[in-house]
Amino acid sequence: DTAVSQTPKYLVTQMGNDKSIKCEQNLGHDTMYWYKQDSKKFLKIMFSYNNKELIINETVPNRFSPKSPDKAHLNLHINSLELGDSAVYFCASSLPLREQYFGPGTRLTVT
Amino acid sequence: LAKTTQPISMDSYEGQEVNITCSHNNIATNDYITWYQQFPSQGPRFIIQGYKTKVTNEVASLFIPADRKSSTLSLPRVSLSDTAVYYCLVGDIGDDKIIFGKGTRLHILP
Repeated sequence: DTAVSQTPKYLVTQMGNDKSIKCEQNLGHDTMYWYKQDSKKFLKIMFSYNNKELIINETVPNRFSPKSPDKAHLNLHINSLELGDSAVYFCASSLPLREQYFGPGTRLTVT
Repeated sequence: LAKTTQPISMDSYEGQEVNITCSHNNIATNDYITWYQQFPSQGPRFIIQGYKTKVTNEVASLFIPADRKSSTLSLPRVSLSDTAVYYCLVGDIGDDKIIFGKGTRLHILP
């Protein structure tokens, strides 16, 4: 009965590689999000997306791109990974004007 | 978006009531105050949200004075499992650009 799930939980990869993190929610929510939490534990929003609009945090490099095959999924694609991309990435979802539900996180380590 | 200021860390003991205060001097008329809790290696979890006065649910209470420039999250009779980081967020309800601050690291001692 997992609400928001992410795969993989851990991802170790080398610089320059391209990787994806999957996110699925079974809550019937309209909006999904991606957050990055760095080593200092700051949690920063990267994207929010519903079936009408993608809102991008302007500080996010264009190497990062969200892809939504359907309303229940918002996957995060990262091209040309860099050391600074190492962090925990959280997916979240919400109904309009309501609180967000977060996934368990994906710890990405770039070597 | 209103900036928030919270204590970096707090310690308390099991069974006590814990109050965490958040300052948000430039809160806007449409802004709500929302608190999230994050355990280690987990995503944040919604605790409570309010606009003014007092809100209470099964987990916590939220006290907001008339000027709304601050708010206090109250956790009754804490236990060791309440050890977590608590984030205060201020923004328009449903704002897709909510900002998590540094949060307050609460450590409950036996």
